[in-house]
Amino acid sequence: EIVMTQSPDTLSVSPGERATLSCRASQSISINLAWYQQKPGQAPRFLIYGASTRATGIPARFSGSGSGTEFTLTISSLQSEDFAVYYCQQYNNWPWTFGQGTKVEIK
Amino acid sequence: EVQLVESGGGLVQPGGSLRLSCAASGFTFSRSWMSWVRQAPGKGLEWVATIKQDGSETYYVDSAKGRFTISRDNAKNSLYLQMNSLRVEDTAVYYCARRAAGADGADYWGQGTLVTVSS
Repeated sequence: EIVMTQSPDTLSVSPGERATLSCRASQSISINLAWYQQKPGQAPRFLIYGASTRATGIPARFSGSGSGTEFTLTISSLQSEDFAVYYCQQYNNWPWTFGQGTKVEIK
Repeated sequence: EVQLVESGGGLVQPGGSLRLSCAASGFTFSRSWMSWVRQAPGKGLEWVATIKQDGSETYYVDSAKGRFTISRDNAKNSLYLQMNSLRVEDTAVYYCARRAAGADGADYWGQGTLVTVSS
């Protein structure tokens, strides 16, 4: 099983600032990585696939990068609606696995 | 509009069984891989199972193998998860999710149904 590790667990950021979230895979997953956003009481929202391609309707302030074992989700200028928990997920191998999540909170 | 609506959750004793359903609409269900993902209270996401469009391939997380069965009825636009030998640690919100078309990952999710395993 591929283990996905996200860092940090919590990120405190002021509105308008940049947020950089990291995700590491325990073995190479090429670019077979997705990112999701989840707010309390809501289902996850699909943000990024193929490590860097934004899903339909996702604002350009969200960007993904990386390949192999190291990946990054960047939110260029945090808006109030972006404070949430973010998960990475690999779909290179079964079983698909998620990271433990990074909570982005208001500083 | 794509909609996924889960049902069938509830309280069940350890060792019991439960069948979850997911009613799909707004897209061609028979063309989509479908998955179940769960989230224990206050915890992160855990992928549980995935099924191919025609049901010919299924994949499970190790903890579900031999206890859970994912299935679908394309004529009814419905996805199912039969859960047997339930354990306390299966307590979670269970989400139905569509595998993204032309990409990968899960692009649409239901609102989830809560399964509580407790005596």
